[in-house]
Amino acid sequence: DAGITQSPRHKVTETGTPVTLRCHQTENHRYMYWYRQDPGHGLRLIHYSYGVKDTDKGEVSDGYSVSRSKTEDFLLTLESATSSQTSVYFCAITPGTSIGDEQFFGPGTRLTVL
Amino acid sequence: AQKVTQAQTEISVVEKEDVTLDCVYETRDTTYYLFWYKQPPSGELVFLIRRNSFDEQNEISGRYSWNFQKSTSSFNFTITASQVVDSAVYFCALSEASGTYKYIFGTGTRLKVLA
Repeated sequence: DAGITQSPRHKVTETGTPVTLRCHQTENHRYMYWYRQDPGHGLRLIHYSYGVKDTDKGEVSDGYSVSRSKTEDFLLTLESATSSQTSVYFCAITPGTSIGDEQFFGPGTRLTVL
Repeated sequence: AQKVTQAQTEISVVEKEDVTLDCVYETRDTTYYLFWYKQPPSGELVFLIRRNSFDEQNEISGRYSWNFQKSTSSFNFTITASQVVDSAVYFCALSEASGTYKYIFGTGTRLKVLA
């Protein structure tokens, strides 16, 4: 158990509203990631973080922002949610600091944008 | 650019059959890492195996085995004597050692094992 929790686990919101998803870890891992999972696309990286206040974009970052003000929390914000952002969102960590370490995932957040 | 292709969208087998899930990758790096993850119907993502590019030995873990072939850029996963509990979506992933900490996933293969 990598000690990763996500909140909320389910959310239904309306187009145009802001939404923030939280990923919390208890092991002080340096690297944290946000992915979205959609049918036919697998897992796609939105943003990742390599330390407090250090973040970078992934392949599908448009419409999303992130913040990491402390090691244990990585927040994903949809500034103005759209229906195309309906998805399952997974947070992940790598337990080591070496490139190529395996990832461990949180339980996921199912977001529906109406 | 890195890319992972899982051409098999869905596979159905009858229990006790052997099944191979294909994974083909593209990378310009000489050092890279390959992974397999399992996502059962409950939805969580479970790490199965990690392989680095310098280790081409096949790996066996119980009914699971992995065949890594650099010559064909493939990292295939075989389940021997499949069971209903093997029903899941399986993802292959790639990470390059060239300075970023990004991972690229394939689109996944849904395996259905029928009783």
